[in-house]
Amino acid sequence: AQTVTQSQPEMSVQEAETVTLSCTYDTSESDYYLFWYKQPPSRQMILVIRQEAYKQQNATENRFSVNFQKAAKSFSLKISDSQLGDAAMYFCAYKAGANNLFFGTGTRLTVIP
Amino acid sequence: DTGVSQDPRHKITKRGQNVTFRCDPISEHNRLYWYRQTLGQGPEFLTYFQNEAQLEKSRLLSDRFSAERPKGSFSTLEIQRTEQGDSAMYLCASSQTSGDPYNEQFFGPGTRLTVL
Repeated sequence: AQTVTQSQPEMSVQEAETVTLSCTYDTSESDYYLFWYKQPPSRQMILVIRQEAYKQQNATENRFSVNFQKAAKSFSLKISDSQLGDAAMYFCAYKAGANNLFFGTGTRLTVIP
Repeated sequence: DTGVSQDPRHKITKRGQNVTFRCDPISEHNRLYWYRQTLGQGPEFLTYFQNEAQLEKSRLLSDRFSAERPKGSFSTLEIQRTEQGDSAMYLCASSQTSGDPYNEQFFGPGTRLTVL
């Protein structure tokens, strides 16, 4: 069964600093997709970054990048130059094929001015 | 099209009542998903449609829950005889299976259900 684990319920970071959110997953599939979603308070979930398992190069989107370690089944999110608007719940998610997403329990990120 | 919309945004009901939620996906998207999110948890999959066909249902979807997507456009999720344990945020998402290998899902704002 697919499971996604986020071991950090809460994290905090000083504005302009860098923070890394952890995610591990379990799967028997060889090809799958991994995502980080951001859910601001009382606002809808939006995609931050995505990675396909067969691509060895780590994905980057502006200040957001991932460290994808396929053998270790680890998919961490690094946020550089943190901004106040980055404060939100962050969910790691897994998907195999064109099917539903499996989410972790989330990490609440606080950005300290 | 401005994205996935859901109606109502909030619903308060008494235990035992029936409730129905609506989701309007992004117009060209052929897949539509329903998730449930309880406080402090990540979203959990309930069911999904490809066009009008309901292709998969989670074990979380008890027989009190029913979902439809007539004509492959909007979808409704009905909960009969609501229980306090049904209190949650119900999220809808849509995606397009062609042209995007990631099959990225776009989420709506959710309907927050409170059962008293």
